[in-house]
Amino acid sequence: DTGVSQNPRHKITKRGQNVTFRCDPISEHNRLYWYRQTLGQGPEFLTYFQNEAQLEKSRLLSDRFSAERPKGSFSTLEIQRTEQGDSAMYLCASSLGQRNTEAFFGQGTRLTVV
Amino acid sequence: RKEVEQDPGPFNVPEGATVAFNCTYSNSASQSFFWYRQDCRKEPKLLMSVYSSGNEDGRFTAQLNRASQYISLLIRDSKLSDSATYLCVVRVTQGGKLIFGQGTELSVKP
Repeated sequence: DTGVSQNPRHKITKRGQNVTFRCDPISEHNRLYWYRQTLGQGPEFLTYFQNEAQLEKSRLLSDRFSAERPKGSFSTLEIQRTEQGDSAMYLCASSLGQRNTEAFFGQGTRLTVV
Repeated sequence: RKEVEQDPGPFNVPEGATVAFNCTYSNSASQSFFWYRQDCRKEPKLLMSVYSSGNEDGRFTAQLNRASQYISLLIRDSKLSDSATYLCVVRVTQGGKLIFGQGTELSVKP
């Protein structure tokens, strides 16, 4: 399978715990994006990378959220001290950094904070 | 004002109907436009890109009006399999972030 891969697919955690998600993009894609989606809403932008450089972070991304892409390949998204409001689907996407190219999404990680 | 706004849903239509979705965007500098489709509990997938001249792919027609900052999607001869949420998506800069509308749910009934 050469698509975008996300792990884990589901995560249940207790409030206050830290969680980390992984995204493996399509191998030749230099752009990698993280989104969060809640029921009935479109995906909300969190952050994106070109290779290993983090180019933009949303104001939605509080200090408890951090993302890395250390070697310009896979990326991790960490949430510290999780809150119930963090419960959502976390989607990763990748694309070639060219005009008008589509982004391909992974199947997402569904986070439930209890 | 949201950066990308779509018609509120859900749209419930019979098989064979024609249905149109509308979308407006706020940033006049936006460069790229897309319609994505998202099935229940699945990831979004590209349905079609939207070009200034308008474009068609089978039963699907997308239009862009830059002056009005308006994008549309027309689905002709609806099929049961068209039932999904349709997301209007805008990209302001080359390779930059995709900005999604809230989505419009379509339900096609027999």
